Amino acid sequence: KQEVTQIPAALSVPEGENLVLNCSFTDSAIYNLQWFRQDPGKGLTSLLLIQSSQREQTSGRLNASLDKSSGRSTLYIAASQPGDSATYLCAVRNAGGTSYGKLTFGQGTILTVHP
Amino acid sequence: EPEVTQTPSHQVTQMGQEVILRCVPISNHLYFYWYRQILGQKVEFLVSFYNNEISEKSEIFDDQFSVERPDGSNFTLKIRSTKLEDSAMYFCASSYRVRSGNTIYFGEGSWLTVV
Repeated sequence: KQEVTQIPAALSVPEGENLVLNCSFTDSAIYNLQWFRQDPGKGLTSLLLIQSSQREQTSGRLNASLDKSSGRSTLYIAASQPGDSATYLCAVRNAGGTSYGKLTFGQGTILTVHP
Repeated sequence: EPEVTQTPSHQVTQMGQEVILRCVPISNHLYFYWYRQILGQKVEFLVSFYNNEISEKSEIFDDQFSVERPDGSNFTLKIRSTKLEDSAMYFCASSYRVRSGNTIYFGEGSWLTVV
């Protein structure tokens, strides 16, 4: 059974810092990995999707990497801003079987960027 | 940008009552999902739906739950007889396909409180 873990559980940084959020998963047989952002009481906004054949994806100040064989992904946020404050979720989609897009989520990293 | 829309945003119901949560997936998407997030816990997969039938469901999705696509645009989750432990945020999601490069898009959620 796939298990996804995110470290740290919470992170507080001053504005302008570069930071790294970590995600690990136990079963390396995945189709892809998605990073989401969740604001309090709100829905999930997809940030980046990395396919299993890819090593990284970039969008603006965000860069996500994937090391499938070791079961790890990192989300790098450059020059953090107070508007980046949110919970960041990592989710993997397992390969094979009859999986029709089922995602397994981590518990999230709560990020606070203070001015 | 196209988005998944959900109604209601918040519903309070008495234990034992039936609840229907509604979703309008992104218009050209073919795969539809329901997830839930109990307060303070991970986002959990409930069910996926394709070609007018359930393609995968979790152990949470028991006989009290059902899904339906009553017309070409709506996708509903029905809980027949709600329990206190059904209190959660319910997310609808959709994707065009389930290939590795396809992002799953989530709605803003419906917050269900069972009293």
